Order: sequence, then C-alpha cells, then structure tokens
Amino acid sequence: KQEVTQIPAALSVPEGENLVLNCSFTDSAIYNLQWFRQDPGKGLTSLLLIQSSQREQTSGRLNASLDKSSGRSTLYIAASQPGDSATYLCAAPNQGGSEKLVFGKGTKLTVNP
Amino acid sequence: GAVVSQHPSWVICKSGTSVKIECRSLDFQATTMFWYRQFPKQSLMLMATSNEGSKATYEQGVEKDKFLINHASLTLSTLTVTSAHPEDSSFYICSAEYRTGGGEAFFGQGTRLTVV
Repeated sequence: KQEVTQIPAALSVPEGENLVLNCSFTDSAIYNLQWFRQDPGKGLTSLLLIQSSQREQTSGRLNASLDKSSGRSTLYIAASQPGDSATYLCAAPNQGGSEKLVFGKGTKLTVNP
Repeated sequence: GAVVSQHPSWVICKSGTSVKIECRSLDFQATTMFWYRQFPKQSLMLMATSNEGSKATYEQGVEKDKFLINHASLTLSTLTVTSAHPEDSSFYICSAEYRTGGGEAFFGQGTRLTVV
C-alpha cells in the first residue's frame, strides 16, 4: 500500500526566498505524481502533474521534480510571495496504475511580507 | 484545466438528518469520481470510488449504508450522508480524473459538513 510523507510539516520564510518542499512515497511503481495547493477551508488546486516518464515539470515560479528510483519528489518555489501562503499537498497513485490517490499530510507554507 | 464543481460548500445539519452533496464535472465526462474526507490537520483520505452506472466501491472502514453514493450520469456524482452524527462532521471533497489531460485529477471546492 502506498504511503506518502511530506517534510517539513510547516515552513515559514520571508518574501523573496526560494524554497523546496519534499515528498517521499513508498511504492515507486507509479504512473504520475501530482502536487496540489489547498487554501484554508477550500478545495484543492492542481499545480503540477508529473508523468512517470518525466523528471520535472515547470509552471511559472513552480518546478516539480520526480525521482521514481528513490521514491522522491520535490516542489521548488522561486521568489516566494505572500500569496503563496497555503498548504501544499503531494499525491501519488495508491497502486501502479490506480486512479486512487494517496495524499501526504502536506506542508503548510507561510511567506511573510 | 478541467473544472469540478461541488455543492454545497458548507452545510450545518441536525443530528439524525441526511445531507446530500453534489459533485459535477462541468466541461468533461467522468466515468469515475472519487470522494475523500479530511479531518482537521489530517491528510485527505479516500472514502469511495463512484462509478457511473454501477455500484460504488468503498474503502475499508467506510460504511456503505451510511455514505450513499449515486453516479447517475457522466457528469454528476452525489454523496448522501445518512443519519448524520457529530462525528461525521468533516470536510468532504470530490475529484474526477481528466483522462485526456494525462490522468490529472481535479477537485471540487469541498463541502464543510457540521452536524450539531
């Protein structure tokens, strides 16, 4: 059964810093991995989807990498802004080609102006 | 990207009553949708898989008679919490996979259920 772990649980940085959020998963037989953003009391916004054949994906100031062999993914946020403050969730398929996602507990990011 | 709409966004109900939550894929068809639950400071946990035209499949420990799921069309799945109790108070959220988008999952806005 897939298990997803995210570290750190919380992170507070000053505006403008570059930062890295970490995600690890136990079952590397995944076909993709997805990063989400969740604002308090809100739903999930999909940030980046990395297919198993890709090593990284970029969207604006966000860059996500995937290393299946080591069971790790990172989300890099460049030049952080206060509006980036949210909880960031990593999700991997439960088993191989399953559509069911297993989520980490998330990293709560606070960017201070 | 694809849009999934969930309604209502919040609901307060009395203990013992039933509550229905709707999940719609607005611009794509979804033969499969998923229902998750999130307790405070916890990660999202999958409750059940909603299958269009057939019975839902439930995760271990989720009572199928309490959480009724109906997937009547390719764009609508409903979750009914029957005989709700305070311990059912939680954040419920649905998702649908946009297949032509490479298997990307899109989520609704979530429903905050409070049972008093």
